[in-house]
Amino acid sequence: DAEITQSPRHKITETGRQVTLACHQTWNHNNMFWYRQDLGHGLRLIHYSYGVHDTNKGEVSDGYSVSRSNTEDLPLTLESAASSQTSVYFCASNEDGYNYGYTFGSGTRLTVV
Amino acid sequence: QKEVEQNSGPLSVPEGAIASLNCTYSDRGSQSFFWYRQYSGKSPELIMFIYSNGDKEDGRFTAQLNKASQYVSLLIRDSQPSDSATYLCAVKTENYKLSFGAGTTVTVRA
Repeated sequence: DAEITQSPRHKITETGRQVTLACHQTWNHNNMFWYRQDLGHGLRLIHYSYGVHDTNKGEVSDGYSVSRSNTEDLPLTLESAASSQTSVYFCASNEDGYNYGYTFGSGTRLTVV
Repeated sequence: QKEVEQNSGPLSVPEGAIASLNCTYSDRGSQSFFWYRQYSGKSPELIMFIYSNGDKEDGRFTAQLNKASQYVSLLIRDSQPSDSATYLCAVKTENYKLSFGAGTTVTVRA
């Protein structure tokens, strides 16, 4: 069965370290997205991609980067982790078309100490 | 003004009652609308989508859309304890990406 997987599920890192969160989907979706979820803020878009070599900034992109070298993967990198980046991170993907919602990964809980 | 706003809740309903969730959006050009359910510690899962004015029913769930009022709602009939979760309204505002409301937490009392 097609799926979207995130790794790791939990991560604790120190302030200032570079961290990469993985997202891999086997749906063959062109569109992939990274969100963070915090109490009181809901899901906020970090970065997204509409295809290989395409990346775009979302509403909270500062301190994060992504690259898309193939259809299946969109890794999210925190260049220099900060305590404000402690959050739950969700990766999602969808098909082209206005009536398709997202399929979400299971999330990564990141703690920056 | 946020792009997508939901009634903040929490919403507590007795078992068997109707839970009514509301959502408004700011972009009049939005074309499609989604409701997700998220259990604590889990990822959101899609339960309904709607893109035409009116009602759309799926089992105990009914989504209602009024584009003129920029309003979308979700009704949960015969609420069950298993419906206790946070419900997220999402709006497709540009190409293929979604904007989400902050969510409404529903608790169904047995």
